[in-house]
Amino acid sequence: GQNIDQPTEMTATEGAIVQINCTYQTSGFNGLFWYQQHAGEAPTFLSYNVLDGLEEKGRFSSFLSRSKGYSYLLLKELQMKDSASYLCAAMDSNYQLIWGAGTKLIIKP
Amino acid sequence: GAVVSQHPSRVICKSGTSVKIECRSLDFQATTMFWYRQFPKKSLMLMATSNEGSKATYEQGVEKDKFLINHASLTLSTLTVTSAHPEDSSFYICSARSQDGALETQYFGPGTRLLVL
Repeated sequence: GQNIDQPTEMTATEGAIVQINCTYQTSGFNGLFWYQQHAGEAPTFLSYNVLDGLEEKGRFSSFLSRSKGYSYLLLKELQMKDSASYLCAAMDSNYQLIWGAGTKLIIKP
Repeated sequence: GAVVSQHPSRVICKSGTSVKIECRSLDFQATTMFWYRQFPKKSLMLMATSNEGSKATYEQGVEKDKFLINHASLTLSTLTVTSAHPEDSSFYICSARSQDGALETQYFGPGTRLLVL
């Protein structure tokens, strides 16, 4: 079956670094997405990885290992506004997104 | 950038009534639109995939007679929740894939929160 696993909740301190892990199992693979979702809002796109390695985009970076079925989202210099849920989603061979349940990130001052 | 709108953003209705939610791609033509629902603190669940001019493909367990999807043009898809019940209360989100874009790219609407009393 298809499955995405990510931690339910994480807590970090303002200004620090946090890594949110995601493992996936899909029928075929066409990339791994990370989305940010604030309460009551739709997800907003953060990153897309289809090749192994690290993609850096400002304070956010995303890593993918296809052989391990593993990805992480790295957030640096955390700000209070980064408090949100972070959704990991893998795209299968039919170009359908398989979603994780999301990781709620709590930032403390 | 590509923008997708949803209307209404929030709706409250009585049990037994029908509710229509619109999803529009504002600056691109969308051959494919996706409808998701999300319960509090849960993942997005794909309900159906609609292609312009053809019948929607529903995911297993989603009642097609209850959740009517129409994708009559390249910029508009509608989801009608028929005879809504309190258990249909949820956050409904659409996304759209551009006819000129990569298959990996979906643009999300802002979502519609439905509360059935």
